[in-house]
Amino acid sequence: DSGVTQTPKHLITATGQRVTLRCSPRSGDLSVYWYQQSLDQGLQFLIHYYNGEERAKGNILERFSAQQFPDLHSELNLSSLELGDSALYFCASSVGPTGTDNSPLHFGNGTRLTVT
Amino acid sequence: DAKTTQPTSMDCAEGRAANLPCNHSTISGNEYVYWYRQIHSQGPQYIIHGLKNNETNEMASLIITEDRKSSTLILPHATLRDTAVYYCIVRVLNTGTASKLTFGTGTRLQVML
Repeated sequence: DSGVTQTPKHLITATGQRVTLRCSPRSGDLSVYWYQQSLDQGLQFLIHYYNGEERAKGNILERFSAQQFPDLHSELNLSSLELGDSALYFCASSVGPTGTDNSPLHFGNGTRLTVT
Repeated sequence: DAKTTQPTSMDCAEGRAANLPCNHSTISGNEYVYWYRQIHSQGPQYIIHGLKNNETNEMASLIITEDRKSSTLILPHATLRDTAVYYCIVRVLNTGTASKLTFGTGTRLQVML
């Protein structure tokens, strides 16, 4: 058990809808990262937050947004969903922000999103 | 981040050591080597990381060559539960930069009876 909790485990929704995925980081971790894994793309970095502030963006679509709250949990919002958004979405957490902190990222077990 | 090259797949007999190689010939001085694995569709699991020296923990050993251009992850006594995709990742750590992990395609390790 990595200590990172993601809910829900599974989500099935229709095209055009909006969903929210939730992540609770490990106790003491201030950084949260979101990744997407689809069959043909592998693990793709989406976005990184540290202590409530956005720190880096990867291949995140404009239809997607995220935030990190004062209690450090994070939410990934996906809107105007398309069939191609079907994927596993993973959250990871680590202690530090950026820079010289080499502490590893610890991943949750993901949310499987199916768009029909 | 430096690019890594790993074999697509490897087999290992149960109980034997699994040695997974990784080439990172363009690694620079401030880049660490991390290893993760992903079992089926679970979240990636952290295994070990290092900068220059060899490292060992309860899961594995990491051997980094002196020139740091390649490394080997060693699972000393592989079991069926070690069947997974193993990712070797180099991660730059510099003040002011993002510290995300960039995953490649990894090595699919199959442990067999």
